[in-house]
Amino acid sequence: GAVVSQHPSWVICKSGTSVKIECRSLDFQATTMFWYRQFPKQSLMLMATSNEGSKATYEQGVEKDKFLINHASLTLSTLTVTSAHPEDSSFYICSARAAVLTTYEQYFGPGTRLTVT
Amino acid sequence: QKEVEQNSGPLSVPEGAIASLNCTYSDRVSQSFFWYRQYSGKSPELIMSIYSNGDKEDGRFTAQLNKASQYVSLLIRDSQPSDSATYLCAVRGSNYKLTFGKGTLLTVNP
Repeated sequence: GAVVSQHPSWVICKSGTSVKIECRSLDFQATTMFWYRQFPKQSLMLMATSNEGSKATYEQGVEKDKFLINHASLTLSTLTVTSAHPEDSSFYICSARAAVLTTYEQYFGPGTRLTVT
Repeated sequence: QKEVEQNSGPLSVPEGAIASLNCTYSDRVSQSFFWYRQYSGKSPELIMSIYSNGDKEDGRFTAQLNKASQYVSLLIRDSQPSDSATYLCAVRGSNYKLTFGKGTLLTVNP
């Protein structure tokens, strides 16, 4: 149980285009989903927290107009990188927190590797 | 600014030895602590969670927490080459947010 999927697993896009990444909780309802970014040889940095049906909360320094987050249902959150640039190339990972509190509160998706050319 | 500090390593141990990974955190009110394993190119995988002072054992893994010293560690007994990965320490703060350390790269040599 507690499986989180992400789609796509990797994507290459041209500079200036937008890319949408989906995060789904497959067998549980996710009250909250978190979006992280990880650059090579660095740790995970939280970008934003999204709660179903409400606006996402962005961490300091993260442009909310560039990284659009939608959490329309208890099993789906999307991250759209708008007008992507090469510096946005990174490993994007989502995690989901179950609606019912458990010991393992956050379940991570497999990640999406974005390369902007 | 909440911080989580780890030795970046690399930490190299021979197969069968005990690997010891350490982590300190700055937020004194933190209550929940996690160790994740991350293989290259993959997302983190939860290894251990610990919430109370003392030791918590799960198979070859033992997490140790000392809230007074703001210190949490992970011991891996009988290390295997498949344990070679980056180990991330994470501390849960308000609103269930996790703050991660930079990770310690562990290499287990056959």
